[in-house]
Amino acid sequence: QKEVEQDPGPLSVPEGAIVSLNCTYSNSAFQYFMWYRQYSRKGPELLMYTYSSGNKEDGRFTAQVDKSSKYISLFIRDSQPSDSATYLCAMSASLAGGTSYGKLTFGQGTILTVHP
Amino acid sequence: NAGVTQTPKFRVLKTGQSMTLLCAQDMNHEYMYWYRQDPGMGLRLIHYSVGEGTTAKGEVPDGYNVSRLKKQNFLLGLESAAPSQTSVYFCASSGQGRYEQYFGPGTRLTVT
Repeated sequence: QKEVEQDPGPLSVPEGAIVSLNCTYSNSAFQYFMWYRQYSRKGPELLMYTYSSGNKEDGRFTAQVDKSSKYISLFIRDSQPSDSATYLCAMSASLAGGTSYGKLTFGQGTILTVHP
Repeated sequence: NAGVTQTPKFRVLKTGQSMTLLCAQDMNHEYMYWYRQDPGMGLRLIHYSVGEGTTAKGEVPDGYNVSRLKKQNFLLGLESAAPSQTSVYFCASSGQGRYEQYFGPGTRLTVT
């Protein structure tokens, strides 16, 4: 079983829809959670960064972490065709756990298409 | 402020040839990483560095070597390329004590 599971999709929605992207994980030591957006033939771009449980909002994007369920979500409101990309979740345990760097464990990515 | 840059953007090699991929960052980050991204496999860590002059193996290090002679540069070398090394290679960096990584635009490598 993979440490981080992410449905690869593809997910296709009409413009203006609310999009929900999700990841589940098995390692209870994960405390730092990120969402990356990757456009076709480009590098991953950091979208959201959250620590522990709770919500974080940035414009049309909301990141949600439920550590009790080991489940994280990214919501996109009023989705636009420019949101069409692959979305990767990533997570890390605390540096105090023994590693000297923040090793990231990635999900496989969900392909999202927003059509006009 | 260019962030993370990678050279070259594309490369085609024949089996057995060697090459070096260059990554440069201008954010004064301590940590640098090399990943490969393959369909269905996600991002996999090849090697990483926690500071100038230091390197360590990641998840899939075989067939690759790295060097970090300057803080801002991280080189990835393939001594004898194999078709299994056909992939998209990404470099990333992060600040000390930080978890979020910043990625470069990638290098598409094809080995025939």
